[in-house]
Amino acid sequence: NAGVTQTPKFRVLKTGQSMTLLCAQDMNHEYMYWYRQDPGMGLRLIHYSVGEGTTAKGEVPDGYNVSRLKKQNFLLGLESAAPSQTSVYFCASSYPTSGRTETQYFGPGTRLLVL
Amino acid sequence: LAKTTQPISMDSYEGQEVNITCSHNNIATNDYITWYQQFPSQGPRFIIQGYKTKVTNEVASLFIPADRKSSTLSLPRVSLSDTAVYYCLVGVPFGNEKLTFGTGTRLTIIP
Repeated sequence: NAGVTQTPKFRVLKTGQSMTLLCAQDMNHEYMYWYRQDPGMGLRLIHYSVGEGTTAKGEVPDGYNVSRLKKQNFLLGLESAAPSQTSVYFCASSYPTSGRTETQYFGPGTRLLVL
Repeated sequence: LAKTTQPISMDSYEGQEVNITCSHNNIATNDYITWYQQFPSQGPRFIIQGYKTKVTNEVASLFIPADRKSSTLSLPRVSLSDTAVYYCLVGVPFGNEKLTFGTGTRLTIIP
């Protein structure tokens, strides 16, 4: 199993450009998440999905959109990149565990620099 | 969602036992306590999870007192490779829509 993979690993954008980050998991997990991590900070949840075709907002959703057309993929889009979106983006997935907080499995991250 | 408080940083020497305490005064009845480890330039990795009393696995132990308002992650005989940031999370059983990792505890192991 590859686990959770993220594409690309690193990207530089100019302000106003758009891009899509791809997250893929091969563990048949129902839940998928997108986080951002700024230098010296913890992770903040952007959007999440509890199943194919469903998405929901997290703590910091503004400026991002997501789609979950296939169970194994979770896409994060930036329509008009801003310097404030310079960050490391992590994708995670998990499976429902009745009555307890599920364990999240994280990808290696995508480092995004917006100039 | 229960807010957690952890020390910002800790230093320890190789071979020692390290205990990192997390406070979560507003923990709810259904909340589990989960610890993650994050190395530089990597995503967090699950270490251990517990609800009450003591949980032990091959990596760490988790001690939770009866009132569950705090928890302690114990790393036995640490090595340089244990240098990382450790996050304590307390969350609801379903729907982590507001789950945050906070700033964690930066553990530095000294040779």
